[in-house]
Amino acid sequence: EVQLVESGGGLVQPGRSLRLSCAASGFTFDDYAMHWVRQAPGKGLEWVSGISWNSGSIGYADSVKGRFTISRDNAKNSLYLQMNSLRAEDTALYYCAKELRFGELSGPFDYWGQGTLVTVSS
Amino acid sequence: QSVLTQPPSASGTPGQRVTISCSGSSSNIGSNTVNWYQQLPGTAPKLLIYSNNQRPSGVPDRFSGSKSGTSASLAISGLQSEDEADYYCAAWDDSLNGPFYVFGTGTKVTVL
Repeated sequence: EVQLVESGGGLVQPGRSLRLSCAASGFTFDDYAMHWVRQAPGKGLEWVSGISWNSGSIGYADSVKGRFTISRDNAKNSLYLQMNSLRAEDTALYYCAKELRFGELSGPFDYWGQGTLVTVSS
Repeated sequence: QSVLTQPPSASGTPGQRVTISCSGSSSNIGSNTVNWYQQLPGTAPKLLIYSNNQRPSGVPDRFSGSKSGTSASLAISGLQSEDEADYYCAAWDDSLNGPFYVFGTGTKVTVL
């Protein structure tokens, strides 16, 4: 059974940093691209970032480019999101999601975690 | 980055057919396939339709998708109470700074 379990969320002050993790199991992690998607309270879905199976291809939404860094450790079956210079508008539930097909960033996302909540507030 | 435009709400009575539209541009829907996600209240999104009109295993055939030009649509036939949820279209966007993935604005479906 595919499982994606996010962790690392919490309350953080504006301008500070936070690192999210996603532990994957139930599939061959290093075969698939992975993504972070967020949802602000009461709002819609926003793609944040994606990384290909071998980290060779990475993409970011304009809203986080230069502040967030996605990475993965295939030996640990884990996905990460380093978030720096956090702003109030980054407050959201952050989901980890797996691509349906092997390899590159091509979508769609067939499995999602339950999310970890990030709250940016002083 | 652009988003895909959906109506904020749609509704129908049990058994009716409901259609949700999704409008994009040449750099996203016009160039790539469309996916649809269903988000039940308080839960993570679930892949409902991919590659414009393909259903993952386990998704009832009451759900169908189509695409034409820079627009797409999701149809729910034989509407059921458990279909009450938020629905999002999505596609890759090939803009200059991309590629990146864009979601629609979301449509809340209410079963009357």
